[in-house]
Amino acid sequence: GNSVTQMEGPVTLSEEAFLTINCTYTATGYPSLFWYVQYPGEGLQLLLKATKADDKGSNKGFEATYRKETTSFHLEKGSVQVSDSAVYFCALSLNSGYSTLTFGKGTMLLVSP
Amino acid sequence: NAGVTQTPKFQVLKTGQSMTLQCAQDMNHEYMSWYRQDPGMGLRLIHYSVGAGITDQGEVPNGYNVSRSTTEDFPLRLLSAAPSQTSVYFCASSYARTGGGYGYTFGSGTRLTVV
Repeated sequence: GNSVTQMEGPVTLSEEAFLTINCTYTATGYPSLFWYVQYPGEGLQLLLKATKADDKGSNKGFEATYRKETTSFHLEKGSVQVSDSAVYFCALSLNSGYSTLTFGKGTMLLVSP
Repeated sequence: NAGVTQTPKFQVLKTGQSMTLQCAQDMNHEYMSWYRQDPGMGLRLIHYSVGAGITDQGEVPNGYNVSRSTTEDFPLRLLSAAPSQTSVYFCASSYARTGGGYGYTFGSGTRLTVV
C-alpha cells in the first residue's frame, strides 16, 4: 500500500534558523506529493505540491523537491519565523483513478523569538 | 466565502448516543472525504465519496456511516458513540479526476468527546 514517513517532532528552532523536515514515501503507483500545514485550532491548509519527479513546489518561503530516486519530498525554509509554528503534514495521492490522500503523522514545528 | 463548512465545532456525547457531523461545500467538488485526527496518528481516512450517490470505506470505517445525496453535502453519522471515537474530525473536498495533482480543501474540524 501507500505510506508516508515523516521525522518525529517537535522540531524546535530559533527565529531565522534553517528548517528541514524530512519526508519519504512508498507508493503503489505514480504519486503527487503535498505538504499541508495546520495552525493551532484550525484545519489543514495546502502549503505546496509537486506532481512529477524533479518538480519543486514553493510557497511562503517554503520549498520541497520531488525526488523519485530517493522517494523523498523534504520541506525546507531558509529563515523561519515565529508565525511558522504549526504542524506540518506530508501527503501523497496517486496520479490515477480516484485517489485518496495518504498522510504522514505530522511534525510539530516550534519557533522561538 | 467559498469553502468547506463543518458543524458543530465542538460536541460532547455520552456513550451510546448517536449524532451526525455535518459537512457542506460550495465549490462543486465531486470528491469529499472524512478524516479523523488523533495524537501521534496523523489523519486517517474514514469514508469518502466520488460523487452523489457513491461512497466507499477508508482506513477506519467501523462505527461510522455516510451518505451522499447531493454534491454539496456529505454527513458523517455515529450510530452508537464509543469513547474510542473521541477525536477531531475533518471533512475535505477536491476535484475528482484522473491525475492526483489537486490539493484538498479542508473544513475547520469538529472536536468530538465521548464520555
